[in-house]
Amino acid sequence: DAKTTQPPSMDCAEGRAANLPCNHSTISGNEYVYWYRQIHSQGPQYIIHGLKNNETNEMASLIITEDRKSSTLILPHATLRDTAVYYCIVRAGANSKLTFGKGITLSVRP
Amino acid sequence: DSGVTQTPKHLITATGQRVTLRCSPRSGDLSVYWYQQSLDQGLQFLIQYYNGEERAKGNILERFSAQQFPDLHSELNLSSLELGDSALYFCASGRAGLGSTDTQYFGPGTRLTVL
Repeated sequence: DAKTTQPPSMDCAEGRAANLPCNHSTISGNEYVYWYRQIHSQGPQYIIHGLKNNETNEMASLIITEDRKSSTLILPHATLRDTAVYYCIVRAGANSKLTFGKGITLSVRP
Repeated sequence: DSGVTQTPKHLITATGQRVTLRCSPRSGDLSVYWYQQSLDQGLQFLIQYYNGEERAKGNILERFSAQQFPDLHSELNLSSLELGDSALYFCASGRAGLGSTDTQYFGPGTRLTVL
């Protein structure tokens, strides 16, 4: 699976959009971009995934650049409960496992 | 609530002992994945079972073993425990097996402390 690079941390104000970047410049054509988050020591929570088109669900939006070398997870209206470690993972269909990096720690401030 | 259950929530034991962690997947999911999260190694994939058969293996020690039963629940057995085995152990489940990008949903984890 391709490696991902995320900044170690970022913060945003409550109620504002949080834009979390991820670089995956070595991504292959059959690899999906997945986002999970982990709040404190709870189990990782699935957020969203995509291949090349932008995706949106009730939690977030995923914007993938046309060359697929980077993506951005957008939480449209961040709340204090969104404070967590967010993991960007690139995963090929033939590989079942999720390879977690260090992720990005998002701190939402009041 | 992901629908994946894990028991027990906490486990405290001594070095050299053996423990069993249990996972029940979401209804309809055939795959179970085990992950270990320690402070120094982060979240690491251990092993995957699909419909009772081992499908993929990661960084799982020989002292560790797993199985998936006909009712699809899974158990992770850890033996000859060492201090370094202290970690959070997560189970995840998904609908499909190898060759699919099915989404994995994680349970709440079991915190193992080896004294």
